[in-house]
Amino acid sequence: KQEVTQIPAALSVPEGENLVLNCSFTDSAIYNLQWFRQDPGKGLTSLLLIQSSQREQTSGRLNASLDKSSGRSTLYIAASQPGDSATYLCAVVDSNYQLIWGAGTKLIIKP
Amino acid sequence: EAGVAQSPRYKIIEKRQSVAFWCNPISGHATLYWYQQILGQGPKLLIQFQNNGVVDDSQLPKDRFSAERLKGVDSTLKIQPAKLEDSAVYLCASSLVGTPGEQYFGPGTRLTVT
Repeated sequence: KQEVTQIPAALSVPEGENLVLNCSFTDSAIYNLQWFRQDPGKGLTSLLLIQSSQREQTSGRLNASLDKSSGRSTLYIAASQPGDSATYLCAVVDSNYQLIWGAGTKLIIKP
Repeated sequence: EAGVAQSPRYKIIEKRQSVAFWCNPISGHATLYWYQQILGQGPKLLIQFQNNGVVDDSQLPKDRFSAERLKGVDSTLKIQPAKLEDSAVYLCASSLVGTPGEQYFGPGTRLTVT
């Protein structure tokens, strides 16, 4: 059974720092992996999607990597801003085409 | 392009009462999902429709939860009777067929059961 874990559960850093969020999964048989952002009272916004054949994806200040063999992904945020404060969730599409979610990392960027 | 619409945005009810949530997916998206997200956890899939047929409802508590998508577009999720542990955000998402994982989410309905 696929399980997704995100560490840390919460993170607080000063504005301007670069940071890394971690995601691990137990079964390497995935179709893709996504990173989502969730703001309070709002739905989920997809940030980056990495297909199983890819190693990384970049969008602006965000870079996500995928290492299927070790069951790990990282989301790198460069030059963090207060507007980056949100909960970041990682999810994988498993062999049954279902999204399996981590519990998220709550990120606070202090001005 | 309009996104996934959900209503209401917030609902407070007492335990044992009933409640219904509505979702309108993105036009052309044949697949519709309902998720339950309890505070501090990731979303849990309750039910998945493709057009008006159920693909997966293995995690739907069928003694109290029901969902329908009669015309293959809008969907309604109902809870009757509600329990305290049903307090959560209920998220609706939609996707095109054949795009595993590429789901678009609505803003959610925050349910509080007292």
